Amino acid sequence: QSVLTQPPSVSAAPGQKVTISCSGSSSNIGNNYVSWYQQLPGTAPKLLIYENNKRPSGIPDRVSGSKSGPSATLDITGLQTGDEADYYCGTWDSSLRAGVFGGGTKLTVL
Amino acid sequence: EVQLVESGGGLVQPGGSLRLSCAASGFPFSGYWMSWVRQAPGKGLEWVANIKQDGGEIYYVDSVKGRFTISRDNARNSLYLQMSSLRVEDTAVYYCARRVTPDSWGQGTLVTVSS
Repeated sequence: QSVLTQPPSVSAAPGQKVTISCSGSSSNIGNNYVSWYQQLPGTAPKLLIYENNKRPSGIPDRVSGSKSGPSATLDITGLQTGDEADYYCGTWDSSLRAGVFGGGTKLTVL
Repeated sequence: EVQLVESGGGLVQPGGSLRLSCAASGFPFSGYWMSWVRQAPGKGLEWVANIKQDGGEIYYVDSVKGRFTISRDNARNSLYLQMSSLRVEDTAVYYCARRVTPDSWGQGTLVTVSS
């Protein structure tokens, strides 16, 4: 059971928008920055969003992140088949004094 | 360019030990927290441990406390994970990562604990 809760799967058609949620608590998301990662099959995770809503260089602006209280959201617009992957949220939990990740969300582009 | 290269994975029997290494380059290693994150086959990411720049603060996930030791050598730009009393459930790809909430990851090294 992950400390952060994500939906196991989401799907949408090419060109559409998808939203992936990440629910936590005041000890993690509520008081710490959230990062989002994309993991393609057989590869290492890749940073998509850091500090809640910032994109590293090379990440397109159709990828965005936001945070409100103990929850965070990843939005991907203009879906492409290449976006099919597992997505994880992650942050620090100040009470556990541990890093925490969501269980992951598998994105299917129909 | 940030590069993190793990090594040291392999097959080990339950109760055995293994030492993972991570060679860092492309950034001032001594200026960053470093972490180990693992991923069991077909499962999600699990944070394992992290260590402050000078090694003065260290944290572990409960399941590895007392069995795993994270360390670093800033002169060698290297991060380590000494794993002992290994269990079948420790089987995973182990990633070296920069920062507490990682912004760069290595390619991972597979640790298989099996008899």
